[in-house]
Amino acid sequence: DAGVIQSPRHEVTEMGQEVTLRCKPISGHDYLFWYRQTMMRGLELLIYFNNNVPIDDSGMPEDRFSAKMPNASFSTLKIQPSEPRDSAVYFCASSSTGLGQGVNQPQHFGDGTRLSIL
Amino acid sequence: DAKTTQPPSMDCAEGRAANLPCNHSTISGNEYVYWYRQIHSQGPQYIIHGLKNNETNEMASLIITEDRKSSTLILPHATLRDTAVYYCIVRLSSIYNQGGKLIFGQGTELSVKP
Repeated sequence: DAGVIQSPRHEVTEMGQEVTLRCKPISGHDYLFWYRQTMMRGLELLIYFNNNVPIDDSGMPEDRFSAKMPNASFSTLKIQPSEPRDSAVYFCASSSTGLGQGVNQPQHFGDGTRLSIL
Repeated sequence: DAKTTQPPSMDCAEGRAANLPCNHSTISGNEYVYWYRQIHSQGPQYIIHGLKNNETNEMASLIITEDRKSSTLILPHATLRDTAVYYCIVRLSSIYNQGGKLIFGQGTELSVKP
């Protein structure tokens, strides 16, 4: 089975430009998560969705960041305008609601997008 | 979610068992212990999780103390490819917990040496 697919793998752009990161979750998963990883702050949860609906966006750093999930198989994270401090690796992860015992299944991560803002 | 404490780094000889400790003294009764690892330049990879019983899968074993205040991840025969940062996370796991957020700490950097 295909895992979580992120694109692009690498993005280099100039400050002030709009950046769009894309994610395709594992088929059948109903949760989708966006994380950011930097040396200073480690892995941080930015936002997550359940059944395409944003549930918690408290980790989104500021209004320049926005995320959407128009359908169960696609999500975007957009930064507009971008700034050098947004340089990081951005990960997307997905998981499914477990059945029976009410236990969430583990999150499965993509390989990330390495973003550099010059 | 309860906080965890892990040593920042550990070394292990190739072929030997790697035992990675984790303290979670404030864990509550409905919180699970999860382990993930992150190999350089890759996304975090799920390893194993458990509530109170010891667990084993094809990757590792998880030993949770009876009082649940600490746990140990065991890689039975470490290889060079097991060199990674290992994260111990405790979280609620319930369909009513809004997805069970993962809060990553700094983890343990495991170096497997020939």
